[in-house]
Amino acid sequence: DAGVTQSPTHLIKTRGQHVTLRCSPISGHKSVSWYQQVLGQGPQFIFQYYEKEERGRGNFPDRFSARQFPNYSSELNVNALLLGDSALYLCASSSRLAPIPDTQYFGPGTRLTVL
Amino acid sequence: AQTVTQSQPEMSVQEAETVTLSCTYDTSESDYYLFWYKQPPSRQMILVIRQEAYKQQNATENRFSVNFQKAAKSFSLKISDSQLGDAAMYFCASTVNTGKLIFGQGTTLQVKP
Repeated sequence: DAGVTQSPTHLIKTRGQHVTLRCSPISGHKSVSWYQQVLGQGPQFIFQYYEKEERGRGNFPDRFSARQFPNYSSELNVNALLLGDSALYLCASSSRLAPIPDTQYFGPGTRLTVL
Repeated sequence: AQTVTQSQPEMSVQEAETVTLSCTYDTSESDYYLFWYKQPPSRQMILVIRQEAYKQQNATENRFSVNFQKAAKSFSLKISDSQLGDAAMYFCASTVNTGKLIFGQGTTLQVKP
């Protein structure tokens, strides 16, 4: 069975540009979450979607946005890139959020470098 | 607010021996879930073990087991018969019924042959 897939694997952008990262969840999973992992730190929660609705947002500026499509895949968009946005962006999928949250399974990540 | 703290930035263990990684957490919720994830150099985050707070029995997955001390808000991971492939960064994480994961800072585990 295919796991969580993310594209692209690596991306290099310059300050001020925008970027779109993509994620496909495990088949049958309806929830997708996005995390930012700066080198040497633990992942930080950015967004969570379930059944195409936003269910949670972390402490990130409005430059960050996301959406989930009818096939449950998701996009993370970041506008006006800053050097500090350089990080590994992780996508995780799960089958349910409640009443007992399912385990989240992670994709391989997209490494974003902002120059 | 939920917090997760890993106080050991680095640990090392001899191959075939046992090592314990520490984690403490804080939450005001009564229902919560705890996890250990492994992140090897490939950066793929892999689930190691999951513990539901309402279960008194400590979770076990082959060579991996946890010591869940609810009153002390402690959740340590024991790796028995350590193997070279266990070398990675290990993250402790918690979630409540929102499913949003809160991660600790991570512990880098080195396995010496």
